[in-house]
Amino acid sequence: TQLLEQSPQFLSIQEGENLTVYCNSSSVFSSLQWYRQEPGEGPVLLVTVVTGGEVKKLKRLTFQFGDARKDSSLHITAAQPGDTGLYLCARPGTGANNLFFGTGTRLTVIP
Amino acid sequence: NAGVTQTPKFQVLKTGQSMTLQCAQDMNHEYMSWYRQDPGMGLRLIHYSVGAGITDQGEVPNGYNVSRSTTEDFPLRLLSAAPSQTSVYFCASSLHPTYEQYFGPGTRLTVT
Repeated sequence: TQLLEQSPQFLSIQEGENLTVYCNSSSVFSSLQWYRQEPGEGPVLLVTVVTGGEVKKLKRLTFQFGDARKDSSLHITAAQPGDTGLYLCARPGTGANNLFFGTGTRLTVIP
Repeated sequence: NAGVTQTPKFQVLKTGQSMTLQCAQDMNHEYMSWYRQDPGMGLRLIHYSVGAGITDQGEVPNGYNVSRSTTEDFPLRLLSAAPSQTSVYFCASSLHPTYEQYFGPGTRLTVT
């Protein structure tokens, strides 16, 4: 199956709090991309992870690829209102001729 | 570079009408795709193309047609619009199907 489950579906937190969102699959994937989509715009790539156990940092965002390459997480430290948006994970589809997206986590950071 | 452009930004159709959503990119990307985005369902792939003259179906192709006569353009046609096609449509392009996707700003379509 190509199903990518993201949790939680919605998250509303106060500015300055930390949070983690998850992306899980029942099958192994070769790589995983994380995108952020702001209201009224298209998604924009944040990071790509390709190696099991890999950790990448992008300022206050930390991305981790699970050892078994079936899951990934995104941790945000000291969230800011500018972090508000829809966070989507995506993996190569069967045959590697397209990209398959998860259902997304909608994050709201309240000032 | 303009990146990926989509027109129109908004569109309202009546059931049974036809229309074409336009998508163009100026990055010389071979791979282009169309997604629809509905609440709680993420992005679902409609059709994609790996180069001029080559197209294939994605996850939800029914009710939509595409063609790719040039590298730059990848229009999406709705032959007979249905209320179930009310959605936000995104076009994307990339150097490779599984590399970073560059998305357009989207077209919000309402079918009444």
